[in-house]
Amino acid sequence: DQQVKQNSPSLSVQEGRISILNCDYTNSMFDYFLWYKKYPAEGPTFLISISSIKDKNEDGRFTVFLNKSAKHLSLHIVPSQPGDSAVYFCAASARTSGSRLTFGEGTQLTVNP
Amino acid sequence: SQTIHQWPATLVQPVGSPLSLECTVEGTSNPNLYWYRQAAGRGLQLLFYSVGIGQISSEVPQNLSASRPQDRQFILSSKKLLLSDSGFYLCAWKGQMNTGELFFGEGSRLTVL
Repeated sequence: DQQVKQNSPSLSVQEGRISILNCDYTNSMFDYFLWYKKYPAEGPTFLISISSIKDKNEDGRFTVFLNKSAKHLSLHIVPSQPGDSAVYFCAASARTSGSRLTFGEGTQLTVNP
Repeated sequence: SQTIHQWPATLVQPVGSPLSLECTVEGTSNPNLYWYRQAAGRGLQLLFYSVGIGQISSEVPQNLSASRPQDRQFILSSKKLLLSDSGFYLCAWKGQMNTGELFFGEGSRLTVL
């Protein structure tokens, strides 16, 4: 049962444009959401997070939006840069499950110069 | 500052051979420790987690086992590797009071031939 889903395995955008990565979840107990970025042969690194009491969190070029009613979150990167090319993982956790993270399948973002 | 290391970085093993991947965390006490595996199309799958020395929880039945002999040491093992054990293994830690952000090691690429 895939509780966190990233339906787009890949996304290609032009440098300078906006990248929008999407994530859907099914577990209504999830109350904390994170995005991780992963380069090949490296461990994922934390990018940005959002608590369920918010619907938006912004950090520089990165903004995460949370729509609790739709159980959907998205990561916006603007402007996109070639160095943003990586696999992006969405993750969710619930306090009731000890805050263990459940990850999505990942989306490969390619930013073309 | 806290750091996490895992080794070896790459490993090629024949089917039926044993496995030992080691992970250590520095700069923190009593962390929660995790082993994840990245598989194509399945994102990051949680294999084991530990909230303390000798305390191991398994998320999925498999050919692997984990141990935590010391507070900041987490070991992933197998007595007899299968072809399906090939993958990218990631160790991660989280502080006890942290809201959910995980910090990942560099990863270990295991190829079973």
